[in-house]
Amino acid sequence: NAGVMQNPRHLVRRRGQEARLRCSPMKGHSHVYWYRQLPEEGLKFMVYLQKENIIDESGMPKERFSAEFPKEGPSILRIQQVVRGDSAAYFCASSPTGIEGTGELFFGEGSRLTVL
Amino acid sequence: GDSVTQMEGPVTLSEEAFLTINCTYTATGYPSLFWYVQYPGEGLQLLLKATKADDKGSNKGFEATYRKETTSFHLEKGSVQVSDSAVYFCALRVSNELVFGKGTKLTVNP
Repeated sequence: NAGVMQNPRHLVRRRGQEARLRCSPMKGHSHVYWYRQLPEEGLKFMVYLQKENIIDESGMPKERFSAEFPKEGPSILRIQQVVRGDSAAYFCASSPTGIEGTGELFFGEGSRLTVL
Repeated sequence: GDSVTQMEGPVTLSEEAFLTINCTYTATGYPSLFWYVQYPGEGLQLLLKATKADDKGSNKGFEATYRKETTSFHLEKGSVQVSDSAVYFCALRVSNELVFGKGTKLTVNP
């Protein structure tokens, strides 16, 4: 039973380019969460999605960031016109029932974005 | 807002030493509390949890007790092993998200 798969593991972009991070949840999980970890900081919640729906995006920056979780395929976190401050590790987590259930999230290994 | 504060790392111990990683929280009501662990090169995974006051979570020799009076959820292990070297995150659940502390890196030397 494969875990949460994130790719790419490492991504380098120049300022102004776009970054796309992909997350395939565990089999049978329809709830996906994205977190960001800045250097020397803890993980910060960004967005919570179910299939085809954004449930809570209260942690997403208002501009340049977007997320989707289509009916088919992985969840995508998209960052347009990246800036150096976007350099961070982005973690995806999934859950079969949502965090209101057991509270357990299953995390991927993260995607590390470096903006030059 | 709701938050978690955990002791600054890094923490370096010798094998078989006693471990305590302090965690305190600020929240309205009585949130569920968690410890997650991240081993090198891996994603975070749930270590243990407690859902109400005085509950004790335990797993792999680690324990933490939900203390309402001190708003704390300290992680302890009586005898650490080299394989326990990892980053440990304290967290609480608020609505649709987990709120994490900054993490404490533990290194256990043989």
